Amino acid sequence: EAGVTQFPSHSVIEKGQTVTLRCDPISGHDNLYWYRRVMGKEIKFLLHFVKESKQDESGMPNNRFLAERTGGTYSTLKVQPAELEDSGVYFCASSHDTGVSYEQYFGPGTRLTVT
Amino acid sequence: AQSVAQPEDQVNVAEGNPLTVKCTYSVSGNPYLFWYVQYPNRGLQFLLKYITGDNLVKGSYGFEAEFNKSQTSFHLKKPSALVSDSALYFCAVRDGTIDYKLSFGAGTTVTVRA
Repeated sequence: EAGVTQFPSHSVIEKGQTVTLRCDPISGHDNLYWYRRVMGKEIKFLLHFVKESKQDESGMPNNRFLAERTGGTYSTLKVQPAELEDSGVYFCASSHDTGVSYEQYFGPGTRLTVT
Repeated sequence: AQSVAQPEDQVNVAEGNPLTVKCTYSVSGNPYLFWYVQYPNRGLQFLLKYITGDNLVKGSYGFEAEFNKSQTSFHLKKPSALVSDSALYFCAVRDGTIDYKLSFGAGTTVTVRA
């Protein structure tokens, strides 16, 4: 089966611009997660979708970040306007369920650089 | 609250030697522990997990990890490292059935020299 895919793999934008990241989960996975790794530090949780509904967005840094999952399939994460501290690697993950028997499968990440 | 510490940014070993990547954790409830590996330009790949039962867990590519409740540790080990094991390793924890969110450590870069 195809894994989690993310687009683009790299993005370089200027401060103040807008960027939209896309994640396509594994087919049939209702649960979709966004995580971020900043400056070589730990990977931190951003938010969790179950189908098209946001279950938990407690990790979203501020209101410049907007995540959507229309139709419960792919998800987008928009940063508007981007700031320097938003630079990092954004990972998407999906799982069939949230129980411990269900590992989260991660995509390759999108490396965002804000200059 | 839950957190993970990986005390070593880098681990360097010679091929054929034992490899250990350290991880300690903190959770309020029952710890569910995971190791992931990231190869260059690839996503995080699941290696192994501890949920309950035997403290020694075996995973992919010959890796194993030992859960130590008293020391709150979950160190990753491989008896004989390969050059192809060179990658970035992440330890992660979730708080039992309370939370589905994974909390990761900062990662440890492993370099295995031929």
